[in-house]
Amino acid sequence: GAVVSQHPSWVICKSGTSVKIECRSLDFQATTMFWYRQFPKQSLMLMATSNEGSKATYEQGVEKDKFLINHASLTLSTLTVTSAHPEDSSFYICSAIAVPGGTQYFGPGTRLLVL
Amino acid sequence: TQLLEQSPQFLSIQEGENLTVYCNSSSVFSSLQWYRQEPGEGPVLLVTVVTGGEVKKLKRLTFQFGDARKDSSLHITAAQPGDTGLYLCAGEGGSGGSNYKLTFGKGTLLTVNP
Repeated sequence: GAVVSQHPSWVICKSGTSVKIECRSLDFQATTMFWYRQFPKQSLMLMATSNEGSKATYEQGVEKDKFLINHASLTLSTLTVTSAHPEDSSFYICSAIAVPGGTQYFGPGTRLLVL
Repeated sequence: TQLLEQSPQFLSIQEGENLTVYCNSSSVFSSLQWYRQEPGEGPVLLVTVVTGGEVKKLKRLTFQFGDARKDSSLHITAAQPGDTGLYLCAGEGGSGGSNYKLTFGKGTLLTVNP
């Protein structure tokens, strides 16, 4: 089956620093990747949708200047949390689809803790 | 704004019992998916239902999509401790929504005690 990886799996950083999270589709080319955030014992909230070679589309209430998304190739999307603060601490999950309307394959998630 | 309401939010049962989780919405979805998520991991797709009235079975799990494609249920027979996890429903392509994007319910946290 299709595999999506994320790196790192967990990261601890100081407040004010920036953190980059990578999302890769390992055995397929992803036309579209999605970034979600999940707080403890809560559901997944879509943050943004990214298509290779174009600007990401952000959901209402998500600051695009704070959460920078780059979908540089058909197998890699990155999420950079800029000037991270403790309230940004969360579980960040990406997903990828091979074809429009296809199944979303989820990565294992990245746990971010901002001190 | 599309909403998917899941119930119950928490469920703790003994091994061998049966249970049903519900997912309801006022929106019509082109498809609805059920996921299971374990702590610290991404969600894993269990099933996708597309046709109104559709019933799918996956071993001890039975999934049903409502005739109007607004609601769904997940029934587990003879639950086992390995079924413990967060069960999430997600709708795709709801009325007024964009294609391909998933709207997730809040999830049902299931604990099956040995």
